[in-house]
Amino acid sequence: DTAVSQTPKYLVTQMGNDKSIKCEQNLGHDTMYWYKQDSKKFLKIMFSYNNKELIINETVPNRFSPKSPDKAHLNLHINSLELGDSAVYFCASSQIGGVSSYNEQFFGPGTRLTVL
Amino acid sequence: QKEVEQNSGPLSVPEGAIASLNCTYSDRGSQSFFWYRQYSGKSPELIMSIYSNGDKEDGRFTAQLNKASQYVSLLIRDSQPSDSATYLCAVNQAGTALIFGKGTTLSVSS
Repeated sequence: DTAVSQTPKYLVTQMGNDKSIKCEQNLGHDTMYWYKQDSKKFLKIMFSYNNKELIINETVPNRFSPKSPDKAHLNLHINSLELGDSAVYFCASSQIGGVSSYNEQFFGPGTRLTVL
Repeated sequence: QKEVEQNSGPLSVPEGAIASLNCTYSDRGSQSFFWYRQYSGKSPELIMSIYSNGDKEDGRFTAQLNKASQYVSLLIRDSQPSDSATYLCAVNQAGTALIFGKGTTLSVSS
């Protein structure tokens, strides 16, 4: 009954490789997000999609490319991985449309990416 | 640059005491305010949300919001060792991503 799920939970790879992280939510929300939490535990927004449309794209290298095939799924593809990409990546979802929506965001379990 | 400031701690309180966590934010247009709890190696878990000035209570937790002072706080009554975690303050305007503080580490000793 997981609300927001991510795969894989751990990802260890070599510099220069390309990898993807998948996220799915079964909350019926219309908006999904990718956040990055660095080694100092600071959580920062990367991207946001509303109904499959990109609405937030923070200053992130273009090696990172999000894709949303439908409003329940948001994937993150990373090309040419670098050491500095090592972090925990969290997916989140919320409902921002509707009368009583306050954008409460619910997080997935995270994907710990280690680039060697 | 929109910012959210928190004292990183650690904040140490004995079991049964009240823990008080504070947060200030820079964007006066912020509309929604949240407290997340994050255990080591786990994801952020939403524990309180507040949208209007004043206090909001939920069990042992009370969130307080003062928009004029751009200040949000979280009180945890009867603190338990299981409350030991990092508490993240987050704010946003409608329809945008959350801006997080760097978190306050709380340690409750038995």
